[in-house]
Amino acid sequence: GENVEQHPSTLSVQEGDSAVIKCTYSDSASNYFPWYKQELGKRPQLIIDIRSNVGEKKDQRIAVTLNKTAKHFSLHITETQPEDSAVYFCAARNINNNDMRFGAGTRLTVKP
Amino acid sequence: GAGVSQSPSNKVTEKGKDVELRCDPISGHTALYWYRQSLGQGLEFLIYFQGNSAPDKSGLPSDRFSAERTGGSVSTLTIQRTQQEDSAVYLCASSLTRSEAFFGQGTRLTVV
Repeated sequence: GENVEQHPSTLSVQEGDSAVIKCTYSDSASNYFPWYKQELGKRPQLIIDIRSNVGEKKDQRIAVTLNKTAKHFSLHITETQPEDSAVYFCAARNINNNDMRFGAGTRLTVKP
Repeated sequence: GAGVSQSPSNKVTEKGKDVELRCDPISGHTALYWYRQSLGQGLEFLIYFQGNSAPDKSGLPSDRFSAERTGGSVSTLTIQRTQQEDSAVYLCASSLTRSEAFFGQGTRLTVV
């Protein structure tokens, strides 16, 4: 089955700096790559996703890049703010059966 | 309902007892996932249902864990003879094929 690796496990940045979280996946049949943000005590919520037919997608301060050949994808947050502090999870979903597996998560702390 | 609903929200049980956790997915969603999240940890895949296909049970940690999905809608995760290491938040998510997955608020299970 699919195996998703995520790093770093923790990331601390100064407010205004950029943050980058990287993930790799193993199954070439994966074609959908969502990113979820989980604030303390709350459920994970989708913040951005990318499909395998594109290499990059942006939404305001958030961007995702995908390298299908290398089987890795990344989340980029620019101009970080304290409210960006949360745990971020990447995931990969299989085109054939809709199976979805998550990375282990990255705890991002943005220091004011 | 408007979102994924899980019940109960909190469950405290004695070691050795059986528990049932319920998930009501968004109406019409064909895919349903169960994940386990231990304190401060990632999303551990447990089981996945897709339509009428046989579920992917590869993530269930032991034969004390089982799940069913009746009529392609409500799902129940059952843990028999609970152990202290089963204490965690159990999250359910549902999605349409090839679209965003939505999470429930989770069931916090405490085995004492």
